[in-house]
Amino acid sequence: DQQVKQNSPSLSVQEGRISILNCDYTNSMFDYFLWYKKYPAEGPTFLISISSIKDKNEDGRFTVFLNKSAKHLSLHIVPSQPGDSAVYFCAATSNAGGTSYGKLTFGQGTILTVHP
Amino acid sequence: EAQVTQNPRYLITVTGKKLTVTCSQNMNHEYMSWYRQDPGLGLRQIYYSMNVEVTDKGDVPEGYKVSRKEKRNFPLILESPSPNQTSLYFCASRELQGGREKLFFGSGTQLSVL
Repeated sequence: DQQVKQNSPSLSVQEGRISILNCDYTNSMFDYFLWYKKYPAEGPTFLISISSIKDKNEDGRFTVFLNKSAKHLSLHIVPSQPGDSAVYFCAATSNAGGTSYGKLTFGQGTILTVHP
Repeated sequence: EAQVTQNPRYLITVTGKKLTVTCSQNMNHEYMSWYRQDPGLGLRQIYYSMNVEVTDKGDVPEGYKVSRKEKRNFPLILESPSPNQTSLYFCASRELQGGREKLFFGSGTQLSVL
């Protein structure tokens, strides 16, 4: 039972344009969400997170939007750069809004390719 | 340099031969965790540890054991490996700062069980 789903295995975008990566979840207890980026032969690295008390969080070129009623979150990258080409994982956890969670559930990942 | 170190990087073994994948972090983090990455399934959590001597199951703990005798080390033990445990494994530790969390991952261990 996949509680966190990234339904697009891949996304191709032109440099300078917006990349939008989507993630859906089914567990209504999830209240903290994260995005990680992974390059080949490396471990994932943290990108950005959002608590369920917010519906938007920005960090430079990266913005995460959370729609709790739809159980949907998305990561926007503007403008996209070739160096953003990687696998992007969304993740979710439940800890009453805190960050000291134990279990963390990841999606399947989306391969983003940004063309020059 | 702050890092999470996993060893070995690559491992080929045979069914039933016990093995240990080591994980060490030098950031004094309390939380550590193990994940496996499989095509089409993403990252799945195997076990996590909130602190020394405190471990708990993730989503796919069957066939794995862990121990946390000291803060810096969190080895993953496969007592009797099977081919369905062929996977890419990642260890991670977590920093909590100002209400924000950040997982630091190791570079991964590619395990093949024949």
